[in-house]
Amino acid sequence: AQKITQTQPGMFVQEKEAVTLDCTYDTSDPSYGLFWYKQPSSGEMIFLIYQGSYDQQNATEGRYSLNFQKARKSANLVISASQLGDSAMYFCAMREAFYNQGGKLIFGQGTELSVKP
Amino acid sequence: NAGVTQTPKFQVLKTGQSMTLQCAQDMNHEYMSWYRQDPGMGLRLIHYSVGAGITDQGEVPNGYNVSRSTTEDFPLRLLSAAPSQTSVYFCASSGSAGLLQETQYFGPGTRLLVL
Repeated sequence: AQKITQTQPGMFVQEKEAVTLDCTYDTSDPSYGLFWYKQPSSGEMIFLIYQGSYDQQNATEGRYSLNFQKARKSANLVISASQLGDSAMYFCAMREAFYNQGGKLIFGQGTELSVKP
Repeated sequence: NAGVTQTPKFQVLKTGQSMTLQCAQDMNHEYMSWYRQDPGMGLRLIHYSVGAGITDQGEVPNGYNVSRSTTEDFPLRLLSAAPSQTSVYFCASSGSAGLLQETQYFGPGTRLLVL
């Protein structure tokens, strides 16, 4: 069954340090996509980064990178040089090709990140 | 270009009342969907649409109806509100229903309280 698991309900990081947010997934579909979204306290969902199951390299977008380990079924988000504005809830999500049916996303429970000055 | 808009931002209902949450996008996106977000949980898909006139159920469709008469609009109807439907509702859209990497863009959300 398709599933996304984020095992860290909350995390703290010191400003300017790097932090890794964990995400594991379960799917039997060989073709899938993995997404990370940020939800600040204002409530909107902001797309951060995408990784496709057939992508050879780990995705990067500015300070965000995705540590994709396909055999382990993990897609951890790495934020480098944390900033106070990074304090937010972070969601990992997956889309499967077979069940794509219009691109529906399966979300994890989220990790709340707090950046300390 | 307003992106995805939702109205209202906040609503209080009494049990048994009905209402419609509005969602509109101006990006000519094929795919639109509704999610609900409950405390301690990620977003769960309620209903989705791959184009005008085509809708289907998601993970938690009970108690909700949708229709898609135009590309731009995708309203969500609560037929008879229940306290269990207290949640934050997000509408999302993406350009193509067929591409894995297609980013979904979310509206700002509607916070619903059912008493």
